[in-house]
Amino acid sequence: AQTVTQSQPEMSVQEAETVTLSCTYDTSESDYYLFWYKQPPSRQMILVIRQEAYKQQNATENRFSVNFQKAAKSFSLKISDSQLGDAAMYFCAYRSSSSGTYKYIFGTGTRLKVLA
Amino acid sequence: EPEVTQTPSHQVTQMGQEVILRCVPISNHLYFYWYRQILGQKVEFLVSFYNNEISEKSEIFDDQFSVERPDGSNFTLKIRSTKLEDSAMYFCASSEFNTDLYGYTFGSGTRLTVV
Repeated sequence: AQTVTQSQPEMSVQEAETVTLSCTYDTSESDYYLFWYKQPPSRQMILVIRQEAYKQQNATENRFSVNFQKAAKSFSLKISDSQLGDAAMYFCAYRSSSSGTYKYIFGTGTRLKVLA
Repeated sequence: EPEVTQTPSHQVTQMGQEVILRCVPISNHLYFYWYRQILGQKVEFLVSFYNNEISEKSEIFDDQFSVERPDGSNFTLKIRSTKLEDSAMYFCASSEFNTDLYGYTFGSGTRLTVV
């Protein structure tokens, strides 16, 4: 069975600085999807960035980028130029590409605090 | 921006009581999901629903749980006889396709407290 591990329950970053959130996963599959979701306080989870395992190039969305290391099964999220609005819970998630399954497997989350 | 709406935001119920959690997915979405998060633990998959039937469920989703889409707009999760360990945040989500081009759209969640 697949598992997702986020080893940092909480992280802090100064406004305008860069922070990296860690995520590792375990799977025997060769093709899958990886995601980072952001959950602001009392708000719904929103998709930050996604990565297809067959793509070697790391995904980037504006200030958010990932470091996808398939062999190491690592999928970290880098937030550059951190803003106060980035403060949230961040969840790493895995989804198999096998047909017939739609579920995400989430990590326990990392709470990011942004310090002014 | 279309949203997935969940009601109520917080529900307190007595152990053994039935509870229904409601969700209104995005109107053109075809796939619907329930997840839950026990405080301090990871978000766990419960069930996915497509074409008016369950397409996948986890081992958490036992006979005490059921889902339905009663009127083409609402998507409900029913817990027949709540237990203390059902206390959790329940998230509804929907997606247009079963691929992940844009990921799911999640609701804000219902915090269920069983006392």
